[in-house]
Amino acid sequence: QVQLVQSGAEVKKPGSSVKVSCKASGGTFSSYAISWVRQAPGQGLEWMGGIIPIFGTANYAQKFQGRVTITADESTSTAYMELSSLRSEDTAVYYCARGSIRLAAAGPRVDAFDIWGQGTMVTVSS
Amino acid sequence: EIVLTQSPGTLSLSPGERATLSCRASQSVSSSYLAWYQQKPGQAPRLLIYGASSRATGIPDRFSGSGSGTDFTLTISRLEPEDFAVYYCQQYGSSPVTFGPGTKVDIK
Repeated sequence: QVQLVQSGAEVKKPGSSVKVSCKASGGTFSSYAISWVRQAPGQGLEWMGGIIPIFGTANYAQKFQGRVTITADESTSTAYMELSSLRSEDTAVYYCARGSIRLAAAGPRVDAFDIWGQGTMVTVSS
Repeated sequence: EIVLTQSPGTLSLSPGERATLSCRASQSVSSSYLAWYQQKPGQAPRLLIYGASSRATGIPDRFSGSGSGTDFTLTISRLEPEDFAVYYCQQYGSSPVTFGPGTKVDIK
């Protein structure tokens, strides 16, 4: 049974960066896409971006362009999300999620997110 | 970007009742790439429905999805105590992936 295990909670100062990891265990890693979704306290779900390890390409929501970097290390079956220039509004639970890959005319696309990590709380506070 | 709107915001029902949740898209969702997730407090979301109407692995058959184009529905035929939660729709047919704001199903 595939599981995604995320790194622990973080407390950061405004203006700093945070890097959250997501390790896949119990199954293949490269043949799926990993997305990152965040949820501010009491709010809904917000897609930040994702990566397809087998292609090594990441794409990002426009809102986070220039501030987020998503990478993957196939040798350790681990994906990473780094968010920089943190502000208080970035306080949220950050989830990684797995989706199957489908090939579309416009390039590879990700299907629904069938497996989620347990979430990582990131608190930004001075 | 496709904007998803969910209604109602909150649905107050009793166990055993039928729940009907709506998700409307600002433009047509490609090939019915529409999913529904359930989220309970302190937990990660769980995939219920993908492709608008296909149940994910292990999801009870009291959950069903329907719709196409811009209008989609999640139906819970008979609410069980464990079904009281927040439900999100998501479209994954166009980039960026977007989620609706959620519908909370609470106990009446």
